[in-house]
Amino acid sequence: AQSVSQHNHHVILSEAASLELGCNYSYGGTVNLFWYVQYPGQHLQLLLKYFSGDPLVKGIKGFEAEFIKSKFSFNLRKPSVQWSDTAEYFCAVNAGSDTGGFKTIFGAGTRLFVKA
Amino acid sequence: NAGVMQNPRHLVRRRGQEARLRCSPMKGHSHVYWYRQLPEEGLKFMVYLQKENIIDESGMPKERFSAEFPKEGPSILRIQQVVRGDSAAYFCASVRDRGENEQFFGPGTRLTVL
Repeated sequence: AQSVSQHNHHVILSEAASLELGCNYSYGGTVNLFWYVQYPGQHLQLLLKYFSGDPLVKGIKGFEAEFIKSKFSFNLRKPSVQWSDTAEYFCAVNAGSDTGGFKTIFGAGTRLFVKA
Repeated sequence: NAGVMQNPRHLVRRRGQEARLRCSPMKGHSHVYWYRQLPEEGLKFMVYLQKENIIDESGMPKERFSAEFPKEGPSILRIQQVVRGDSAAYFCASVRDRGENEQFFGPGTRLTVL
């Protein structure tokens, strides 16, 4: 069965620090990979996605992620975080299913708190 | 173009009551997914529907939970005889067609069972 593992449940950083959030998945076939962000009291927003092509993906708000197929990883990075990046971050994976749809599997999330 | 709409945003029910959660997909989207987010956990898939058809309900609890997506109107997730353990945020996501792999999420409904 597919699963997604996020290594850190809580991360605290100071402004301008660099960020890397780990994500590993288990699935043997072709997958689509996503990072979503959920700001306090708001709904999920897509940060970036990887379907195919260049494994280094640029997203919104200065975020990027690198797909390393051999490690089944899709880590999220940002060189310099801001207070406004305080949010919960979810890694997600989907792949085609027998039904023809794409059931998305989410990691448990990482809560990032950025100190001003 | 309006995004995915969910209502109500917050719903409070007493144990044993029924909860109805609504999801209106984005314009032009004919497929809907429902997910549940328990406290301190990620989103868990519940059910995948297209209009008038349940495609995959492998994530739905066997009892008390049902979902529909009629030809006209929103998709509805119905929970009968709610229990405290049903307290969670319920999100729906829509896609245009069955083969689309990027889902657009609604703001969620936060259900609290007293």
